[in-house]
Amino acid sequence: AAGVIQSPRHLIKEKRETATLKCYPIPRHDTVYWYQQGPGQDPQFLISFYEKMQSDKGSIPDRFSAQQFSDYHSELNMSSLELGDSALYFCASSLGQGQFFGPGTRLTVL
Amino acid sequence: GENVEQHPSTLSVQEGDSAVIKCTYSDSASNYFPWYKQELGKRPQLIIDIRSNVGEKKDQRIAVTLNKTAKHFSLHITETQPEDSAVYFCAATSTSGTYKYIFGTGTRLKVLA
Repeated sequence: AAGVIQSPRHLIKEKRETATLKCYPIPRHDTVYWYQQGPGQDPQFLISFYEKMQSDKGSIPDRFSAQQFSDYHSELNMSSLELGDSALYFCASSLGQGQFFGPGTRLTVL
Repeated sequence: GENVEQHPSTLSVQEGDSAVIKCTYSDSASNYFPWYKQELGKRPQLIIDIRSNVGEKKDQRIAVTLNKTAKHFSLHITETQPEDSAVYFCAATSTSGTYKYIFGTGTRLKVLA
């Protein structure tokens, strides 16, 4: 069965640079979620999209933005990167309440 | 605000024994409670879930119980195996906006062979 796809899987950036993370949800899933997970921490909800419209917002910094495109893929744009942005970034998709997670993008900010 | 407490933070059991992880949620309107297993550096994987209209659900060696009155839910793993070793997260869905998850802080389970 098709799963959630994320790219890139690993990303290394310098402070103050920008990064773009991509997510391709499971076909026919109508909702996409972004989570940030720091080392040894639980995933923290950032933002979600339902049918290409932003549907909920969590602890997403103002330096970050996201959108969902007509083909349902989503991108998380991160600017003015800080050391503290180093984390695993997961995208999840759902059709209803059960969310299925992608493999994540490990972002390292040097 | 919405909160999910999870304990214990670490749990070591002997292979073949049972493991129990407990969570408490704050939003009485939460109605869906999934459990995820996460191995180091990998994605959280849904292992079992329960909806608020059910008190218990079982899938082979894994079961989840829900006490809506007390706002508690628990994960039970029987006949534990070394491959059960991982971090387990409980979650509750927020009823504001979409079905975003509020995760517990995780339990690191070690099954000793």
